[in-house]
Amino acid sequence: GAVVSQHPSRVICKSGTSVKIECRSLDFQATTMFWYRQFPKQSLMLMATSNEGSKATYEQGVEKDKFLINHASLTLSTLTVTSAHPEDSSFYICSASEIRRGTEAFFGQGTRLTVV
Amino acid sequence: GEDVEQSLFLSVREGDSSVINCTYTDSSSTYLYWYKQEPGAGLQLLTYIFSNMDMKQDQRLTVLLNKKDKHLSLRIADTQTGDSAIYFCAEETGGFKTIFGAGTRLFVKA
Repeated sequence: GAVVSQHPSRVICKSGTSVKIECRSLDFQATTMFWYRQFPKQSLMLMATSNEGSKATYEQGVEKDKFLINHASLTLSTLTVTSAHPEDSSFYICSASEIRRGTEAFFGQGTRLTVV
Repeated sequence: GEDVEQSLFLSVREGDSSVINCTYTDSSSTYLYWYKQEPGAGLQLLTYIFSNMDMKQDQRLTVLLNKKDKHLSLRIADTQTGDSAIYFCAEETGGFKTIFGAGTRLFVKA
């Protein structure tokens, strides 16, 4: 199946700093990428949908100025957590799909962010 | 709105079959998925079914889909202790978003 690579898998950062998470589709062109957040012992919540070359669409309650999403190419989307706070500590996971072909979405391995 | 519901816990004995149930609301869903998450790990896609299928079997896994009732189930035959994990049901909606259930924690007793 298609491969989606997410990097880093784990990151620890200090409060107030920014952290960038990358999501790459390795063997297909991802016209759409999705970013999810998973709180401990809870399900995944969709944060935003990004289409290549256009602004991301954020779900209700997600601060777009805090969670910056850039989908500059057909193989790369980035999520930047700005001014990180301990409350932002979570598991972030991306998925990518090639919408034009109607294929299913493939998930990255996830990034565990800890803000200290 | 879009919603996926599943029971939170299931406990079975090793060697028995496990059946995890899920209901969803979006009738325009295209794919329905089952994911497995082990402690501290990411999601592992177990299997998926197209919305126009009724059943899919893959080794020990059997997925049943009742589209009329919007009900999806995952049966694990000969459940092993290594199957202990959280199982997420998910639907890909007509808008290509994947909506997840809360997850069912499967306990397998030796």
